[in-house]
Amino acid sequence: DAKTTQPNSMESNEEEPVHLPCNHSTISGTDYIHWYRQLPSQGPEYVIHGLTSNVNNRMASLAIAEDRKSSTLILHRATLRDAAVYYCIRGGNTPLVFGKGTRLSVIA
Amino acid sequence: DGGITQSPKYLFRKEGQNVTLSCEQNLNHDAMYWYRQDPGQGLRLIYYSQIVNDFQKGDIAEGYSVSREKKESFPLTVTSAQKNPTAFYLCASRPYLNTEAFFGQGTRLTVV
Repeated sequence: DAKTTQPNSMESNEEEPVHLPCNHSTISGTDYIHWYRQLPSQGPEYVIHGLTSNVNNRMASLAIAEDRKSSTLILHRATLRDAAVYYCIRGGNTPLVFGKGTRLSVIA
Repeated sequence: DGGITQSPKYLFRKEGQNVTLSCEQNLNHDAMYWYRQDPGQGLRLIYYSQIVNDFQKGDIAEGYSVSREKKESFPLTVTSAQKNPTAFYLCASRPYLNTEAFFGQGTRLTVV
């Protein structure tokens, strides 16, 4: 049980921002929120993770709701190389549990 | 370069044969994981190990076996007891919980 809910697919135009939502309404206080992405026929790649505060890195930003029941991964300018399946995972003292993720398509 | 290596990339085996998939990391990570991925699906956890000489079953351990004799190595054996072994197998490692996990490039196993 992945314990997160994500849309099956989303579409974005190239060079526009993308907001990928994730619901995790049963998250515990010690669970982090992790995001990974997977390109076809490759292993997943780490994107970002956070606990309570919003987080930024060179790849993306993670906005976490104040009640922590949802979060949004933000890609500031989508490129064709960002087309992938994005997984939102809530993790505590256990291995990462992957759901089906959101398939992001980027249109040139 | 530091990283996690899976070999081979493609593997073909006849039904009824055991096969071992290799996973090696030189990142000095304590924890290692094996996942299975079927077409259009997410990853499912097979086995994981958080320390040498210790490992735990994941959600779909039946028909698989592992060992963790060295920190850098976590081989997975797909036995003949696994009913549907054809899949994409992914190995991962991370230094400790709630840190970034590093994945290998995967082994695509086809059993004919």
